[in-house]
Amino acid sequence: GQNIDQPTEMTATEGAIVQINCTYQTSGFNGLFWYQQHAGEAPTFLSYNVLDGLEEKGRFSSFLSRSKGYSYLLLKELQMKDSASYLCAALLMNRDDKIIFGKGTRLHILP
Amino acid sequence: DSGVTQTPKHLITATGQRVTLRCSPRSGDLSVYWYQQSLDQGLQFLIQYYNGEERAKGNILERFSAQQFPDLHSELNLSSLELGDSALYFCASSVEAGGGGELFFGEGSRLTVL
Repeated sequence: GQNIDQPTEMTATEGAIVQINCTYQTSGFNGLFWYQQHAGEAPTFLSYNVLDGLEEKGRFSSFLSRSKGYSYLLLKELQMKDSASYLCAALLMNRDDKIIFGKGTRLHILP
Repeated sequence: DSGVTQTPKHLITATGQRVTLRCSPRSGDLSVYWYQQSLDQGLQFLIQYYNGEERAKGNILERFSAQQFPDLHSELNLSSLELGDSALYFCASSVEAGGGGELFFGEGSRLTVL
């Protein structure tokens, strides 16, 4: 079956750095998304990795290793507004194409 | 504002009933996706349409059905509702069929089944 795993919850301090890991066991893997979702709101796009390596976008960076089935989202200079759930999602292209999500990591930022 | 519109925002109904959730994608987007989000399950992929045709199916129950109309809006029909169907239902749209593009999510329809 298709499986995406990420930690349920993490806590970090304002101004610090946090890394949220995601591992996947899937068939037809084509790329890895990260989305941010504040409580009660819609998910919003953060990044999409197709190739191995690190992609940096401001305070957020995302890394992918296709051979290891592993990705992480790195958040720097944490702000209180970064308190949210972070969703890892895989684009699968088999007979049909679908985007499946992990259960999300709830990140708590402490002052 | 993502440009994706979902109605209704909130819906309360009873077990055994049937409801229809509606989604209007962003202007120019041909793909529509439906997801169910409950507290302990995360975002579960239900179904995807591209330009009026069903493109991919997830773990969608037989009691649920969907379609995409010529004007590209989509409807998700949920019938014989059970307590466990209470969840937030998200619609998302993208330009591409293959899903390699960013998904834009609507605000969701919160369904409560009593």
